[in-house]
Amino acid sequence: GESVGLHLPTLSVQEGDNSIINCAYSNSASDYFIWYKQESGKGPQFIIDIRSNMDKRQGQRVTVLLNKTVKHLSLQIAATQPGDSAVYFCAESFSGGYNKLIFGAGTRLAVHP
Amino acid sequence: EAQVTQNPRYLITVTGKKLTVTCSQNMNHEYMSWYRQDPGLGLRQIYYSMNVEVTDKGDVPEGYKVSRKEKRNFPLILESPSPNQTSLYFCASSLGSGTGSTDTQYFGPGTRLTVL
Repeated sequence: GESVGLHLPTLSVQEGDNSIINCAYSNSASDYFIWYKQESGKGPQFIIDIRSNMDKRQGQRVTVLLNKTVKHLSLQIAATQPGDSAVYFCAESFSGGYNKLIFGAGTRLAVHP
Repeated sequence: EAQVTQNPRYLITVTGKKLTVTCSQNMNHEYMSWYRQDPGLGLRQIYYSMNVEVTDKGDVPEGYKVSRKEKRNFPLILESPSPNQTSLYFCASSLGSGTGSTDTQYFGPGTRLTVL
């Protein structure tokens, strides 16, 4: 079946820098994308979503960019903080919602002081 | 406090012994789902439920059953567990199925299951 992949398994950044986590998706029919954060020992936490009719969406300190031409998704975190250290997952769906949601394997973000 | 709870949090069992992992949410959410998380594979959806008495298969439903008799509860049943079902399981809920405006999905803390 279709799957979502990530370019980098681990990303190390300095506190205060901006972070960019990338994700490639393979299903051109996917119309809904979500980024999750998972801290050690906890369940995933919904961060931000974007639908295929948008290229960019901003939240608090986070921005998601969607490039449908190359099937690429990115999560930008501004002024990265130690509390941002976690594993980040992207997920895609062609149902427009949570049905048949497919997740990537995840990228670990390590923030250094 | 709005939350999704799962029980038990940890379980070690033997092959073939039926077990149930409970999931409960106190947010009056209609949509609930179960995922398993395995190293290198990410999260995979097992089953989901759009409302009471409405359930459907996700990507990896084999070996699992679910029921949705009440809105708040969505138990995951393993009739005859096998070692390949050793995994970390997460239940999640949301107000709807996410097809409308942003509809945050809330996850439980996870249940680590080991089948010997």
